[in-house]
Amino acid sequence: GQSLEQPSEVTAVEGAIVQINCTYQTSGFYGLSWYQQHDGGAPTFLSYNALDGLEETGRFSSFLSRSDSYGYLLLQELQMKDSASYFCVLTDSWGKFQFGAGTQVVVTP
Amino acid sequence: EAQVTQNPRYLITVTGKKLTVTCSQNMNHEYMSWYRQDPGLGLRQIYYSMNVEVTDKGDVPEGYKVSRKEKRNFPLILESPSPNQTSLYFCASSLSPGTRDNEQFFGPGTRLTVL
Repeated sequence: GQSLEQPSEVTAVEGAIVQINCTYQTSGFYGLSWYQQHDGGAPTFLSYNALDGLEETGRFSSFLSRSDSYGYLLLQELQMKDSASYFCVLTDSWGKFQFGAGTQVVVTP
Repeated sequence: EAQVTQNPRYLITVTGKKLTVTCSQNMNHEYMSWYRQDPGLGLRQIYYSMNVEVTDKGDVPEGYKVSRKEKRNFPLILESPSPNQTSLYFCASSLSPGTRDNEQFFGPGTRLTVL
């Protein structure tokens, strides 16, 4: 089976950097993704790591270390619109997606 | 516009009354999936489909049925809804879940209340 753990909430000020950690226990997976969800809205894709290392997409970066069973999402130059929930997601090769419980990011002025 | 649509967006029903939530995508994606979202639990996968006539159980399939007769449609059926199926439901599609093209595109959600 699979399980993912991420913090329930993180608070930071505008312009700051936030790192959301995700640790997992699994017997095997293809990659680790990150999704953003604003209140009442649909989740939207942010980033994906199939291999160890850092993937950068604008202000957002994601990192994966399979040997440490660990990944993180880095949000830089925080903006008010970044206030949302962020989910780490394990993907296998056969169509199963496992979501973490989500991290609520609160950005304050 | 590339999108995933779901209907209805909101539904209040009573225990035992069969209902269907429709899902359609116009991106020619082979993969489609249903999730339910409950407070504090993230999204949990109900069923998924890798292609037409191919469906598999996710983590919480009990009480649900699906069918995939056409590539674009993936309806979710609740034969006898119960109050514990009150939830926010999302449909999603993806080009290829086992590759780097695994990005899922989500519908707007269906908020279901079973009394």
